[in-house]
Amino acid sequence: QKEVEQNSGPLSVPEGAIASLNCTYSDRGSQSFFWYRQYSGKSPELIMFIYSNGDKEDGRFTAQLNKASQYVSLLIRDSQPSDSATYLCAVINTGNQFYFGTGTSLTVIP
Amino acid sequence: SQTIHQWPATLVQPVGSPLSLECTVEGTSNPNLYWYRQAAGRGLQLLFYSVGIGQISSEVPQNLSASRPQDRQFILSSKKLLLSDSGFYLCAWSVTGGDSAFFGQGTRLTVV
Repeated sequence: QKEVEQNSGPLSVPEGAIASLNCTYSDRGSQSFFWYRQYSGKSPELIMFIYSNGDKEDGRFTAQLNKASQYVSLLIRDSQPSDSATYLCAVINTGNQFYFGTGTSLTVIP
Repeated sequence: SQTIHQWPATLVQPVGSPLSLECTVEGTSNPNLYWYRQAAGRGLQLLFYSVGIGQISSEVPQNLSASRPQDRQFILSSKKLLLSDSGFYLCAWSVTGGDSAFFGQGTRLTVV
C-alpha cells in the first residue's frame, strides 16, 4: 500500500468553479499534511499545510483534514487558468519522512 | 534565510556512465535531506532520506546511491546509468518539527 494516494486525474473545471482535490494516507500516526503545486518542469511549491482536523482557509484555498478517515482534501474556489498545475499531497509519517502522492493534474478552462 | 542549491540543471549522459548530483543547503543546521525522482508525467518517488551526516535511508533498491559527507551536503550517485534512470531529480530539505519541505530547482537527467 502506498503511503499517500491521489487520483491522478486529469481534473478539468471551468474558470470560476470550485476544484476539489482529494488524498488518502496509510500511516495513521501521521501528524502533518501538506499541499504543493507543481507547474510543468518546475519544482513543487508549498500552498498550505494543516495539522488539525477540520478546515483551514487561506485565500481561495481551503485544506480539509479528517484523521479518522485518513483523508485530506484541497478546495480551490473561483478557479483561475493560472491554477492549472499538478497538485501534490504530502504527509510526514511516524518515521518523520516526507511522502508525496503522485499528484492530480488540474486544468482550469477559460 | 535558508536556500537550497542543486546542480546541474540539465544533464545528458550515455548509458553505463557514472552520475553525481550535488545538493547543498544554506542557512540551517542539521536538516533532513531528501532525494526524489519524478519520471515524465508521474509523481514524486522518494529515493533517499537522511537525518544526519552518514545516515542514509534508501527507499527503493536500485543502482543509485546517496551520501552525506557534510551536514548540509547531499550527493546522489550512480556507477553505471540505465535508460530507466532518466527523470527529474529533486533535492529537498526539512527540519524536524518544521512546517514544510523545500525543494531545489531540480536536475533533468536524460540517459541516452
